[in-house]
Amino acid sequence: QLLESGGGLVQPGGSLRVSCEASGFTFNKYWMHWVRQAPGKGLVWVSRINEDGVIADYADFVKGRVTISRDNAKNTLFLQMNRLRVEDTAVYFCIRDLRKADLWGQGTLVTVSS
Amino acid sequence: QSALTQPASVSGSPGQSITISCTGTSSDVGAYNLVSWHQQHPGKVPKVVIYDVSYRPSGVSNRFSGSKSGNTASLTISGLQPEDEADYYCNSYTTISTHVFGTGTKVTVL
Repeated sequence: QLLESGGGLVQPGGSLRVSCEASGFTFNKYWMHWVRQAPGKGLVWVSRINEDGVIADYADFVKGRVTISRDNAKNTLFLQMNRLRVEDTAVYFCIRDLRKADLWGQGTLVTVSS
Repeated sequence: QSALTQPASVSGSPGQSITISCTGTSSDVGAYNLVSWHQQHPGKVPKVVIYDVSYRPSGVSNRFSGSKSGNTASLTISGLQPEDEADYYCNSYTTISTHVFGTGTKVTVL
């Protein structure tokens, strides 16, 4: 399973790191992704990272503000978000291998507000 | 990285078939056979119903099928059931090593 944590309320311009702890499968054999969903809105892809953490890709709207990383020893995926904006308010989901997307976390809510 | 275009809503009566389109470009949908479809019931986590354009994961009803022609992918739900009422999103890999979701379609069972 995938269990996200670290969401919460942060002021505009602030930073937050959300985590996703994996269990029940060999974490270091899978690409991992972050997808977000603003309240009442659709799914939006944010970022992905390869099995050993060497390759990372980002959506244009977060490039330069967000860093994806992973700790394979701790079976954990991270998303460090800086210079947060009100429009970054969303539930952030981690997903194993978005191509098959057979495992989603339950999501963690990030609220950016003053 | 514009979102793929889906109809905002599609409806049908129980037992009917409906098709949801997902239109992209030659840089995403048209570039690879890497389109997936995700079903999301209100307040729930999305669930994949089709991957790689037309492959159905184990446990997903065979009433769900997928196809692609050019830059447009399609999801067909045959024998529509009340439990099929949900939001549906397509997703595609792109030529710039990113992914993009569709705008989402609300399916209503009349």
